[in-house]
Amino acid sequence: DTAVSQTPKYLVTQMGNDKSIKCEQNLGHDTMYWYKQDSKKFLKIMFSYNNKELIINETVPNRFSPKSPDKAHLNLHINSLELGDSAVYFCASSFSGGIVNEQFFGPGTRLTVL
Amino acid sequence: RKEVEQDPGPFNVPEGATVAFNCTYSNSASQSFFWYRQDCRKEPKLLMSVYSSGNEDGRFTAQLNRASQYISLLIRDSKLSDSATYLCAVNDTNAGKSTFGDGTTLTVKP
Repeated sequence: DTAVSQTPKYLVTQMGNDKSIKCEQNLGHDTMYWYKQDSKKFLKIMFSYNNKELIINETVPNRFSPKSPDKAHLNLHINSLELGDSAVYFCASSFSGGIVNEQFFGPGTRLTVL
Repeated sequence: RKEVEQDPGPFNVPEGATVAFNCTYSNSASQSFFWYRQDCRKEPKLLMSVYSSGNEDGRFTAQLNRASQYISLLIRDSKLSDSATYLCAVNDTNAGKSTFGDGTTLTVKP
C-alpha cells in the first residue's frame, strides 16, 4: 500500500506546454505539500495545504497553481513551462495536530522541460 | 543567512568509522526537529525525530541543543548501506511548515 503516491513518475515536455502532476495520500493526514528539488539537490517548499486551504505559498510564480479537491489529494498544474522548471517535484503529507509533524514523501515526479 | 544551515560535506569515510553531522537553525520558534535520509533518485524518508533529551536508534544518535539552536546526528560503525544524503528538517508548527537543510552527502567506502 503506497502511502503517498504521485503520477506521473517521469514527465518530459516542451517549453510552453501546460502539465499537471497528481498526488494522493492514504494516511489520513490533513496537510499536504509540494516541494521542488533542483539539480543541486536543494529541497524547497512551494505550497502547503491544510484541510484543502492554502497556508503556504513560497513566492512561487503564478504559472504554478495547486488544487486540493479534498484532504487526500493535492495536484499541481504548471502553465507555460520553462527550462528552469526542470526538477524533481515531491509531494508530501503530515498530520498537523501535536508538536511532532514528520512528513511522508511521495516518490517524486521528474520533470524535464526541453 | 539561510534558515537552516547544514554541513555541506561530502563526507567520505571508511566502513566502521564514526561520523557526525551538524545542522543549525535560526528560527527560535521551531518546535520539532528531524533527520531524513535520501537515497539517490529516491524520496526523503524519515530517519529519526530529534527530542530535547537526545535519542538513540541503534547506531544512530540525535541530539538537540535549543540554546545554541543546533541539532546533530551521529552515526557509529558506519556501513556501506549508510551511504546517502542526510537532510535535517526544522518544523515551525505555528507557521505550518518544515524547512529543510541542503543536505550532507555521506559515502561509506570498504
